[in-house]
Amino acid sequence: QKEVEQNSGPLSVPEGAIASLNCTYSDRGSQSFFWYRQYSGKSPELIMFIYSNGDKEDGRFTAQLNKASQYVSLLIRDSQPSDSATYLCAVRPPGGYNKLIFGAGTRLAVHP
Amino acid sequence: EAGVAQSPRYKIIEKRQSVAFWCNPISGHATLYWYQQILGQGPKLLIQFQNNGVVDDSQLPKDRFSAERLKGVDSTLKIQPAKLEDSAVYLCASSSGDREETQYFGPGTRLLVL
Repeated sequence: QKEVEQNSGPLSVPEGAIASLNCTYSDRGSQSFFWYRQYSGKSPELIMFIYSNGDKEDGRFTAQLNKASQYVSLLIRDSQPSDSATYLCAVRPPGGYNKLIFGAGTRLAVHP
Repeated sequence: EAGVAQSPRYKIIEKRQSVAFWCNPISGHATLYWYQQILGQGPKLLIQFQNNGVVDDSQLPKDRFSAERLKGVDSTLKIQPAKLEDSAVYLCASSSGDREETQYFGPGTRLLVL
């Protein structure tokens, strides 16, 4: 079992729709969760992080965390073609040193 | 604020050759990370430095990869000898030690081993 699992996609949504990206993790002790966006040929950039169960909103983005189900999701409202990218879920496992374990990413395609 | 700098941006070598990558983190960032990202995969941590010291190198292939961070600032990652499977993007990231420990990534070095 992979430590962080994501559906590779592509997830195709029409412009203006809600895109829902999902991630599961294996280490129940993980405490911090991150979503990064990576455009083709570019490096990852942080969208948002979440620590507590529930929802966290930042503009058009909402992260959702359910530690009991070991599940993290990212919702993108009013999707735009510029949102087309690979979305990486990253999990900080318990223990020291703040390392991140990344999933393989979900490719999102927003079509006009 | 200047971002994480990396060089070179691209490198093509033949197998069994050696190669070195350089990273300059964001000023004041104590923690520096080297990741390997193979096409279609997420970044995989190779080594993490806290100031000068290594805090995690559990996934670094130590028979061929080495890294150092002199004076707690710049870092170099070396591969010697390179194998075909080392073809990947090598990403450097740094973080400040704040609560969120946000990692900021450099542009990466794209390595092709022929």
